[in-house]
Amino acid sequence: DTGVSQNPRHKITKRGQNVTFRCDPISEHNRLYWYRQTLGQGPEFLTYFQNEAQLEKSRLLSDRFSAERPKGSFSTLEIQRTEQGDSAMYLCASIGTDSNYEQYFGPGTRLTVT
Amino acid sequence: AQRVTQPEKLLSVFKGAPVELKCNYSYSGSPELFWYVQYSRQRLQLLLRHISRESIKGFTADLNKGETSFHLKKPFAQEEDSAMYYCALSGHAGGTSYGKLTFGQGTILTVHP
Repeated sequence: DTGVSQNPRHKITKRGQNVTFRCDPISEHNRLYWYRQTLGQGPEFLTYFQNEAQLEKSRLLSDRFSAERPKGSFSTLEIQRTEQGDSAMYLCASIGTDSNYEQYFGPGTRLTVT
Repeated sequence: AQRVTQPEKLLSVFKGAPVELKCNYSYSGSPELFWYVQYSRQRLQLLLRHISRESIKGFTADLNKGETSFHLKKPFAQEEDSAMYYCALSGHAGGTSYGKLTFGQGTILTVHP
């Protein structure tokens, strides 16, 4: 499968724990985006990378959230001290500069905070 | 600020009937508009974008800047069109797309046999 992959697909954690998600984009894509989707809503932008540089962060991304893309390939999204309000689907998407701006989405990681 | 509004959360039609999914947007610059679709148990995927002016799976969408709308239409709905549809906007300025998408809340389309 050469599409965007995300791991884990599901994560259940207790409030206050830290969690980390991974996204592997399509290999030649230099831009990578993270979105969050809560029940009944469309995806909301969190942050994006061009290669290894994090170029924009949404105000939704509190200081408990951090994202990295250390070598410009895969990316990780960490949530520290999780809260019940963090329960959502976390989506990753990637795009190449010559792909007519179509974003290719991964299957998402569903986080449940109990 | 950019915003996308899809006024209908649910839309039901019968097979063979015309369907229109509404989308209105607000953006001060020159936007790129997209329709994304999510079929049951599948990932979100691009259906069409306004600048390509294509018809995909029989769907078309015309950007109306005067009414700030980008409605999705299909003259004869099929059962396999049943899915969640999201309208999305990307800021575009100086020939460069910002890339990040602002999504509407989505419309669940159900096509009955």
